[in-house]
Amino acid sequence: NAGVTQTPKFQVLKTGQSMTLQCAQDMNHNSMYWYRQDPGMGLRLIYYSASEGTTDKGEVPNGYNVSRLNKREFSLRLESAAPSQTSVYFCASSEAALFTGELFFGEGSRLTVL
Amino acid sequence: KNEVEQSPQNLTAQEGEFITINCSYSVGISALHWLQQHPGGGIVSLFMLSSGKKKHGRLIATINIQEKHSSLHITASHPRDSAVYICAAPLYGNKLVFGAGTILRVKS
Repeated sequence: NAGVTQTPKFQVLKTGQSMTLQCAQDMNHNSMYWYRQDPGMGLRLIYYSASEGTTDKGEVPNGYNVSRLNKREFSLRLESAAPSQTSVYFCASSEAALFTGELFFGEGSRLTVL
Repeated sequence: KNEVEQSPQNLTAQEGEFITINCSYSVGISALHWLQQHPGGGIVSLFMLSSGKKKHGRLIATINIQEKHSSLHITASHPRDSAVYICAAPLYGNKLVFGAGTILRVKS
């Protein structure tokens, strides 16, 4: 049982390049989330999705877009990467309604924007 | 100022010591999460509790809803407990706000 799988694990971009972080869960969870983690700060919510086809902005959505095409997958896209987006990104899911219940995290994707 | 405050920020202990990590939050909540992040980076959920105490192996989590405070205790600490411990509380419309984490190092 893989749980939550994120790809890629590491990525280096140049300013202005675009990329998509992929996330998939095999636990049949409805709720999925994207967080970023920066040194000295707590995890911050970028976007979240309560169910297939629905997404909402979190605390720090600027510069990002998301897509929830099906129940399993929730992708995060950077259209024009900036150095301020250098961070570690975590995808998470939960069985229960949004923001309730135990969270299951992916292993993280470390992104560096030069 | 983070509305979920953890203390201490860094903690070094000798193997076998009893460890306490504290978490305070600013508004009433329905439940609080404790998470563990290992040096490799992965995050796992340890506890979700809304009252009283929960125990899992050598880990014990307590919460005092009235005082807006929770503690995570580790008994008989071991080097493999070395990790970052994070608390998170649903402060605004149930959206989780995360503490900055407590870096624990247990020396053998």
